[in-house]
Amino acid sequence: QVQLVQSGAEVKEPGASMKVSCKASGYTFTSHGISWVRQAPGQGLEWMGWISAYTGNTNYAQKLQGRVTITTDTSTSTAYMELRSLRSDDTAVYYCARGTISAAGKFDYWGQGTLVTVSS
Amino acid sequence: DIQMTQSPSSLSASVGDRVTITCRASQGIGNYLAWYQQKPGKVPKLLIYAASTLQSGVPSRFSGSGSGTDFTLTISSLQSEDVATYYCQKYNSAPYTFGQGTKLEIK
Repeated sequence: QVQLVQSGAEVKEPGASMKVSCKASGYTFTSHGISWVRQAPGQGLEWMGWISAYTGNTNYAQKLQGRVTITTDTSTSTAYMELRSLRSDDTAVYYCARGTISAAGKFDYWGQGTLVTVSS
Repeated sequence: DIQMTQSPSSLSASVGDRVTITCRASQGIGNYLAWYQQKPGKVPKLLIYAASTLQSGVPSRFSGSGSGTDFTLTISSLQSEDVATYYCQKYNSAPYTFGQGTKLEIK
C-alpha cells in the first residue's frame, strides 16, 4: 500500500532553517511528483511547491521563492523540503502529498504531517 | 495567479439535510478542480477530482459539478461523520491553489 512517512516534529528558533523528510513506499517513486502543503494553526491549506521525482524539476509558490527548496533522493524514495530564514508565521503542520500520474497537482496520498514550531 | 474562493466559510446543517458548498475560480480552469475533506485533527483526503469524479471509496452521497469558474460540492444527505472542513483546489497548472475552506458542522 502507498505510504508517505514524514519526519518528526521540530522546534526552531526564528532565523533558523528546517528540513522535513517524506519517505515514500508502495509505488514507483519516480512515477509521481511530490508537493508540499502547509497548514498554520486553525488556518487553511497552503500549497508550497512541487518536484518531479523523475526529472527533479521544481515549481514553488511565489511567496516562498528564495526561502524554500524541495529535493528528492531517488535511491531512498525520499523527498525533502527545506525552509530557511524561519519566522513565527512559518509555524504550521507541513504535509507532503503525492500527485497522480495524470495530474501533478491532484493529491491522492498524503503524509501524516510534521508540526514545526518557530519560537524563541 | 488564479484565486479560489469558497462560500460559505462555515455552515451548520442537520443530519439528513442536503448541503451545497460553492467554489469560484478567478479565471477559467476547465474541470481541473478537486475537493478535499479534512476531519478535525486528520490529514486531508481527496474526495472528488475532475470537478465531478468521485475518488474510489468515497460515499455516493457526495457529488461535484461545474466547469470553468464555478463549481459545487453537494452532500445529498448529511451524516454526522461528514463533520469536517472542505477545500476546493485548482490543479490545471501550478500554483495548485486551495480555497480558504468551508467548515461544516452538525446543527
